[in-house]
Amino acid sequence: ELKVEQNPLFLSMQEGKNYTIYCNYSTTSDRLYWYRQDPGKSLESLFVLLSNGAVKQEGRLMASLDTKARLSTLHITAAVHDLSATYFCAAVPYGGATNKLIFGTGTLLAVQP
Amino acid sequence: DTGVSQDPRHKITKRGQNVTFRCDPISEHNRLYWYRQTLGQGPEFLTYFQNEAQLEKSRLLSDRFSAERPKGSFSTLEIQRTEQGDSAMYLCASSRIAGGDVMPHNEKLFFGSGTQLSVL
Repeated sequence: ELKVEQNPLFLSMQEGKNYTIYCNYSTTSDRLYWYRQDPGKSLESLFVLLSNGAVKQEGRLMASLDTKARLSTLHITAAVHDLSATYFCAAVPYGGATNKLIFGTGTLLAVQP
Repeated sequence: DTGVSQDPRHKITKRGQNVTFRCDPISEHNRLYWYRQTLGQGPEFLTYFQNEAQLEKSRLLSDRFSAERPKGSFSTLEIQRTEQGDSAMYLCASSRIAGGDVMPHNEKLFFGSGTQLSVL
């Protein structure tokens, strides 16, 4: 059974600093997603990673996937307050016929001025 | 607003009562998903529809839960005889996939803002 773990669960960082959120998954998966959720709001899709070595970047966020290590990372560069939110990674069981996402517990990111 | 719409945003009910939530997906999206999210946790898959057919249900979905999508458009999720453990955010998501593509690697889910259920 696919399980997804994120760390850290909570991250307080200063503006301008860099940091990385880690997402490990327990069994083979062929798709890895990153979402952002603001309090009381919907989940916003950030990245979809489909293959080993995939790297995607949008603004100050960069996501990568290592399928051999079953690890995805979300790297934050020069954090700004607007990035404060909860970030979730989610994987799909390999060969799954549906997009039945298995989510991690989330990382609450608080960027301090 | 052309996003996924959920109603109500908040629902407070007493234990033992029945509640029903509604989800309106993005127009022409043929897949619709229900997820549940408890405080401090990631969303958990409950069930999904392709058009009007309910194709998969999680074991989390006890017999007190029923979901429908009668015309392949909006969906309802009903919880009968609510329990305090049902308190959670219920999220709906929709997507559009090509007709013959059973395993769409590029499927993108669009989530609604959810219905927050509190059972007293």
